[in-house]
Amino acid sequence: DTGVSQDPRHKITKRGQNVTFRCDPISEHNRLYWYRQTLGQGPEFLTYFQNEAQLEKSRLLSDRFSAERPKGSFSTLEIQRTEQGDSAMYLCASSFPSGLQEWTQYFGPGTRLLVL
Amino acid sequence: AQTVTQSQPEMSVQEAETVTLSCTYDTSESDYYLFWYKQPPSRQMILVIRQEAYKQQNATENRFSVNFQKAAKSFSLKISDSQLGDAAMYFCAYQVGNEKLTFGTGTRLTIIP
Repeated sequence: DTGVSQDPRHKITKRGQNVTFRCDPISEHNRLYWYRQTLGQGPEFLTYFQNEAQLEKSRLLSDRFSAERPKGSFSTLEIQRTEQGDSAMYLCASSFPSGLQEWTQYFGPGTRLLVL
Repeated sequence: AQTVTQSQPEMSVQEAETVTLSCTYDTSESDYYLFWYKQPPSRQMILVIRQEAYKQQNATENRFSVNFQKAAKSFSLKISDSQLGDAAMYFCAYQVGNEKLTFGTGTRLTIIP
């Protein structure tokens, strides 16, 4: 069990550029979640998938944001026309529907985005 | 909407002593999960402990234990025999079923050697 991985770990971009982040969940975890965390705050929910289906999107997820999980395994989060307010840590988590820790979310290391 | 409140932005404790972090939440649900997560300076969010609301028995994990008061909607975390490695941001979080987590604003715990 290798844990949730995210790539890249850090991204610096200029305002107006597009960026894409990747998340690989724990193997066999069918739920995958994206959160955003700004400095000094708790994570805020963005969206989540069950297998390849996107089940819920937060109002935080403006039309510049899009997330996919095409084969029910890894997921990508794309931000188009980045703004300085998009600077944050983007966290990915995954969970599994059974066992002693059913539905417990396990987090990746995050991708820190800085928009200049 | 569910909310989670952590009223202590910062706490400090002497090494080897015991500290309690507070958390309250608001919900109309009867069945849910509560969690404490730890986020050290490296910023990887790590699960500390989990509590199912239908269980009356308080969860424990080694030096970590909770005091779950369902009627009062309170969920505090007790850390016994504090160690330097316990220094981190601690987040209380709430979850209904298999849905999203709702987090509090966190408590920064400092361990004094």
